[in-house]
Amino acid sequence: GQNIDQPTEMTATEGAIVQINCTYQTSGFNGLFWYQQHAGEAPTFLSYNVLDGLEEKGRFSSFLSRSKGYSYLLLKELQMKDSASYLCAVWSSASKIIFGSGTRLSIRP
Amino acid sequence: DGGITQSPKYLFRKEGQNVTLSCEQNLNHDAMYWYRQDPGQGLRLIYYSQIVNDFQKGDIAEGYSVSREKKESFPLTVTSAQKNPTAFYLCASKWGGVTGELFFGEGSRLTVL
Repeated sequence: GQNIDQPTEMTATEGAIVQINCTYQTSGFNGLFWYQQHAGEAPTFLSYNVLDGLEEKGRFSSFLSRSKGYSYLLLKELQMKDSASYLCAVWSSASKIIFGSGTRLSIRP
Repeated sequence: DGGITQSPKYLFRKEGQNVTLSCEQNLNHDAMYWYRQDPGQGLRLIYYSQIVNDFQKGDIAEGYSVSREKKESFPLTVTSAQKNPTAFYLCASKWGGVTGELFFGEGSRLTVL
């Protein structure tokens, strides 16, 4: 079967660093996405990993280990506007893209 | 500007009625997707299409139907067979190559009265 797991909720402090983990089991693998979604809005693209390793993009970084079926999203210098849900999605075989249940991140001052 | 347009943004339906949600893209993308999102949940795949005149069922296709007669259009019909259709529906598209992000429309919120 296909399964994507991420923590349901996380809380962090403004200015700190937080790591959101994602583990997956899918039939085929063509890449892994991270999206940010504010309540009531469409998701916005953060990153796409297809090769192992760390991809850095400003305050956001994403890591992938294909052999372990594992990824994480690292958010640095947290700001209040980073309070949102973070969605992990896997592009599996035959163009199918499936999402995890999302991690709701709350930032406290 | 290139993008994905979903309409209507809000829709109210009586039980027993079919409704069709529109999704149009001018990004020249090959693949298109429909997702459903319930409050506090992630996105669940309803249907997807890789090319014109071809589509596949996702994880929750029961009670839904789609067509892909044109590359830029991928309408979703929510039929009366869908037991709990109240949800936020998101359409997305992607270039068919090995890279590239999944672009989303702004979503359609369906409420069954």
